[in-house]
Amino acid sequence: ETGVTQTPRHLVMGMTNKKSLKCEQHLGHNAMYWYKQSAKKPLELMFVYNFKEQTENNSVPSRFSPECPNSSHLFLHLHTLQPEDSALYLCASSQGRGSGRAGEQFFGPGTRLTVL
Amino acid sequence: RKEVEQDPGPFNVPEGATVAFNCTYSNSASQSFFWYRQDCRKEPKLLMSVYSSGNEDGRFTAQLNRASQYISLLIRDSKLSDSATYLCVVNFDGGSQGNLIFGKGTKLSVKP
Repeated sequence: ETGVTQTPRHLVMGMTNKKSLKCEQHLGHNAMYWYKQSAKKPLELMFVYNFKEQTENNSVPSRFSPECPNSSHLFLHLHTLQPEDSALYLCASSQGRGSGRAGEQFFGPGTRLTVL
Repeated sequence: RKEVEQDPGPFNVPEGATVAFNCTYSNSASQSFFWYRQDCRKEPKLLMSVYSSGNEDGRFTAQLNRASQYISLLIRDSKLSDSATYLCVVNFDGGSQGNLIFGKGTKLSVKP
């Protein structure tokens, strides 16, 4: 396994479903991130974890719930989503806070989410 | 408000051309800057970090003007494989936490 992996790659869900996105990094990093990429909009940072601790929640609705059990794994739990939540969800990792290299991030391939 | 502004393009250039992209950012306290590249339907990948006044890596040169809050990316001798969207990225928190703000990107198309 190399780099940052994400599963599933594609997900279609109804507004009443509960699903989870998974991210795993094999780079020995200590920081992990969730981003949302919608058409015609810039990449938006959602959550930041440093050494398993959440350090940033960028005003994300509570229907998105992150979980970081260890420095290598990150989840995004989804429930009662809206159609406007349809987007590409990208996970990234980097060296941790204080390293001076936190901006040099490695991205996974993303999960293309469609909410019906 | 934290913003990063880029010319969306597209820039259509022939192989071998030199092309430059510009980017402005809103927060004068920003400490670190990056250019990422995103191919169609792929994830962003780090192209260059800019921690001081500039950086050069082969055909790619990034320059930073803190007084004008302006970053540029110059690509010399363009290749077909350079076709992608180039994202200007700013770390507004001084670089400590990786809280990146992305521009919308500038699309480059290099033609034979």
